[in-house]
Amino acid sequence: DSGVTQTPKHLITATGQRVTLRCSPRSGDLSVYWYQQSLDQGLQFLIQYYNGEERAKGNILERFSAQQFPDLHSELNLSSLELGDSALYFCASSGGGGAETQYFGPGTRLLVL
Amino acid sequence: SQQGEEDPQALSIQEGENATMNCSYKTSINNLQWYRQNSGRGLVHLILIRSNEREKHSGRLRVTLDTSKKSSSLLITASRAADTASYFCSTDMFSGGYNKLIFGAGTRLAVHP
Repeated sequence: DSGVTQTPKHLITATGQRVTLRCSPRSGDLSVYWYQQSLDQGLQFLIQYYNGEERAKGNILERFSAQQFPDLHSELNLSSLELGDSALYFCASSGGGGAETQYFGPGTRLLVL
Repeated sequence: SQQGEEDPQALSIQEGENATMNCSYKTSINNLQWYRQNSGRGLVHLILIRSNEREKHSGRLRVTLDTSKKSSSLLITASRAADTASYFCSTDMFSGGYNKLIFGAGTRLAVHP
């Protein structure tokens, strides 16, 4: 158990809809990272927050947004969903804001029908 | 293209054999990490090797780093069926004012009883 929790575990929705994925980092970790993993794209970095502020952006679509709250949990919002958004979404956390070890949550499996 | 790229993409061996996976990267690094992912689960950190280290051991794992060749290898000795997983290397990369981790596409290892 990494100490990172993600909810929900599974999500099935329809195209055009909007969903919110939630992540709670390990106790004491200030950074939260979001990744998307699909069969044909591998592990894609989406965005990083550090202590409530956006730190780095990766291949995140404009339809996607994220935030980190004062209690350090984070939410990833996916809107106007398309079939191609079906993937595993992982959250990871680390103590600082750099390239140290990241601890991954169990992921949310999103299926867009 | 990825900062870190694993080779081979897939590896199939018998229990008891050794498994070697390689990772190549493009730019200078401060550290390189290896992670394991069981099917559909979150990534689990295995080992971190710093740029001034050449070899590191952890149980049945041996990691080497050759900064002159910009490559690393992960050796799993006396493999077990439970080692069946995907293995990812990650390297730190300075971009946008911050240091962040970049993951490769992974090597899928299958260990047959």
